[in-house]
Amino acid sequence: AQTVTQSQPEMSVQEAETVTLSCTYDTSESDYYLFWYKQPPSRQMILVIRQEAYKQQNATENRFSVNFQKAAKSFSLKISDSQLGDAAMYFCAYRSALYVGGTASKLTFGTGTRLQVTL
Amino acid sequence: DVKVTQSSRYLVKRTGEKVFLECVQDMDHENMFWYRQDPGLGLRLIYFSYDVKMKEKGDIPEGYSVSREKKERFSLILESASTNQTSMYLCASSGSGNRYEQYFGPGTRLTVT
Repeated sequence: AQTVTQSQPEMSVQEAETVTLSCTYDTSESDYYLFWYKQPPSRQMILVIRQEAYKQQNATENRFSVNFQKAAKSFSLKISDSQLGDAAMYFCAYRSALYVGGTASKLTFGTGTRLQVTL
Repeated sequence: DVKVTQSSRYLVKRTGEKVFLECVQDMDHENMFWYRQDPGLGLRLIYFSYDVKMKEKGDIPEGYSVSREKKERFSLILESASTNQTSMYLCASSGSGNRYEQYFGPGTRLTVT
């Protein structure tokens, strides 16, 4: 079974600064997808960024980028130029690329990192 | 935009009551999911459905059942609510294929007293 670990329960960053959230995972599969989801205080979870394991290039979405280290099974999220609206709970998630229907399609989540953004 | 809606934002029920949580998505997604979110535990999958009338148990199905009679609607049922089922419940949907993201509803905060 796959596991996802987020070792930082809380992080804090000053506005306009850069912060990195850590995520490690454990799997025996070679092909999979990794996601970072954001859950603001209003609670609607939204996708921040996605990485496909077969792609060596790190994904980027505007101010959000990842450092994907497949051999180390590490998938960290970097937020540049932090804004007050970035304050949220961030979840790292794993999903197998093997699609046979059923629970092979499920996301496995980490326990989350609460990010505070200060002025 | 994909929209996933849940029937209630907040719900208070008594121990032993039968509880229905409903989820509706408007993007014709094949897959729908029910998660439970607890502090320090992240999100845990309760049940999953990949087609009408088709369901699969997730990691913590005990005490729950589900129903999917129409493609757009996925219901979570607590047959006899207990205090340890007090939690945040999140519904999600996605297209077929694992590369697709899951879209989440706003959540239902259920309190069982």
